Amino acid sequence: QVQLVQSGAEVRKPGASVKVSCKGSGYTFADSYIHWVRQAPGQGLEWMGIIKPRRDEATYAQRFQGRITMTSDTSTRTVYMELNRLRSDDTAIYYCTRDGGGWDFDFWGQGTPVAVTT
Amino acid sequence: QSALTQPPSASGSPGQSVTISCTGTSSNVGDHNHVSWYQQHPGRAPKLMIYEVTKRPSGVPDRFSGSKSGNTASLTVSGLQAEDEADYYCSTLAGHDTWVFGGGSKLTVL
Repeated sequence: QVQLVQSGAEVRKPGASVKVSCKGSGYTFADSYIHWVRQAPGQGLEWMGIIKPRRDEATYAQRFQGRITMTSDTSTRTVYMELNRLRSDDTAIYYCTRDGGGWDFDFWGQGTPVAVTT
Repeated sequence: QSALTQPPSASGSPGQSVTISCTGTSSNVGDHNHVSWYQQHPGRAPKLMIYEVTKRPSGVPDRFSGSKSGNTASLTVSGLQAEDEADYYCSTLAGHDTWVFGGGSKLTVL
């Protein structure tokens, strides 16, 4: 069965960086795109970007351009999302989710809480 | 401000039907059939309920159905059950390799 397992909770100070991992299993890793979505406390879902593991090619939402990097390692079946120059409003749960092929998100990781605080 | 507009809340009694709308533009919802819906219970990851406007993944009850007219997509939950109480989000492809979500709708089962 398809599973996405994310790394654990993180706490960072403003201005720092965070790197979250997402390990896939139960499917052909290289051929499935992975999206990153975040959810601030009490708020809705926000799409951050997509990575295509076979080509290690990523596209980011405009509001994160210059501050985000998504990478993939097909040998370990893991994708990474790094967000730099963190601010307090980056405090959120970060999810990785697989593109189901119909431009939807069919399986989700358990979420990684990231707190940005002094 | 979300690119897709949903009502903040919806409600219904057990057994009734409720419809949640998701309004976009002719450049996203109105341009193709890549509209999906997600259910999220408190403290849990979202779950895919509807994809490509009308299709249900395996395991999703047929009480959940989707439709679209012009720039507005809709999710209908028939025969409401207590377990359907959750937040619901729509999503669509909004351009080349770009996606957007609606602001979410809280469904309350009275």
